[in-house]
This record gives sequence, structure tokens and C-alpha cells, in this order.
Amino acid sequence: EPEVTQTPSHQVTQMGQEVILRCVPISNHLYFYWYRQILGQKVEFLVSFYNNEISEKSEIFDDQFSVERPDGSNFTLKIRSTKLEDSAMYFCASSEYLNTEAFFGQGTRLTVV
Amino acid sequence: DAKTTQPNSMESNEEEPVHLPCNHSTISGTDYIHWYRQLPSQGPEYVIHGLTSNVNNRMASLAIAEDRKSSTLILHRATLRDAAVYYCILSNNYGGATNKLIFGTGTLLAVQP
Repeated sequence: EPEVTQTPSHQVTQMGQEVILRCVPISNHLYFYWYRQILGQKVEFLVSFYNNEISEKSEIFDDQFSVERPDGSNFTLKIRSTKLEDSAMYFCASSEYLNTEAFFGQGTRLTVV
Repeated sequence: DAKTTQPNSMESNEEEPVHLPCNHSTISGTDYIHWYRQLPSQGPEYVIHGLTSNVNNRMASLAIAEDRKSSTLILHRATLRDAAVYYCILSNNYGGATNKLIFGTGTLLAVQP
């Protein structure tokens, strides 16, 4: 069965450093998403991406965050200057069409120290 | 974003059916009803979705009330592997290129052997 792949599975970074979280969505999918889940809290929507541009973003997704699909297969989330409160599990998801199932990756656990 | 209400937790016995309820009284005519689940330490996993008619797939069935103000996810024979948090989510692209999912706190399903 096709799957969304995320790397790394765990990343530890110092406060203020830049991090890039990587995702390989399912190959024929057109819609891409990032979500995050702080430990013990709800899964939160960050951003959706379609046709090489952001289609929607949440209030969480401020100027410190950016997304890119650099080569037609990878989908990345960059946090420019990490803060302690960015520590969370980050999930990438993709779907083939609108109103169809979204496939989630296993997540990247980001720990900011 | 239209809101859903689910019980915080439910218990079931292995190999018995489970009915997980969801109320969504403010649903709009174009909102799809999605169910996802999250097993411990994993990313969300699609279960089923529908618009107006009842739906069946290999994992579950979705029963949608005639007025669409509530729905029920049915697991026909619960297994220990079905122990997870189940999320009922309304999603609508509202003509835009996004199908963001807004997760609530869901229902924590415990399955007893």
C-alpha cells in the first residue's frame, strides 16, 4: 500500500536554529498538508499546499514557517528560528483529490532544547 | 469551521460491535463527514467518510442521520488493534484548494480482551 514517508523520525535542535522537516507524499497526490501535535494535545492544522502554492494556512503558520515542494516529489516544512514551543510531532499528509481520504505520515518528533 | 461533539471515551469488548456517536448539528449542506483514528504514537489514519448516504468499507460503516445532524461510526467486530482515539471531523473545501481537517479531542476507545 502506498504511504507518506517522513524524515527524520526524530530531530533535536537548539533554540534559534533552523530545521527542515521532509516528507515524500504519495506520488500521484495533488494536495499536501502539514499538521502538528504538541504532546498530549490535539492535532492542529498548519498549512495546505496545492499547485505549488499555499492554499490555506492557520494562525500558527507565521513568518517563521515556510513550505516548499522543491523537486516534484519532496514536500518540506522549514522553521526558520525554532522556539521551545515548536517542540511537537509534525505530520505530513497528502490526498489525491479534494474530499477524499488523506494519508498521514508517521511524523517527525521535533524537540527544541 | 463546523463543530462536532463526541463522547470523551468509550469501552468495548473484543469481537463485539462498537457504535461511536458524533453530533454535528451545525453541519452545512456541503460538509463531508470524515472519521479518522490515531493509534498510540502514530499518525492519524483515515477510517471512512461520507456526505449523505451510509457508507461501508473494509474497516467500518458510517451511518448518517437523515437530517445529517449526527452520524455513527460502526466497527463491526472490535479487535485490540482498534483501541485508538477516533475523530469525527467535518470538512469542506468551500471552493478552495484545501480540505483541512480540524481535529477535536475525539473519543478514546478502549477494547477489553
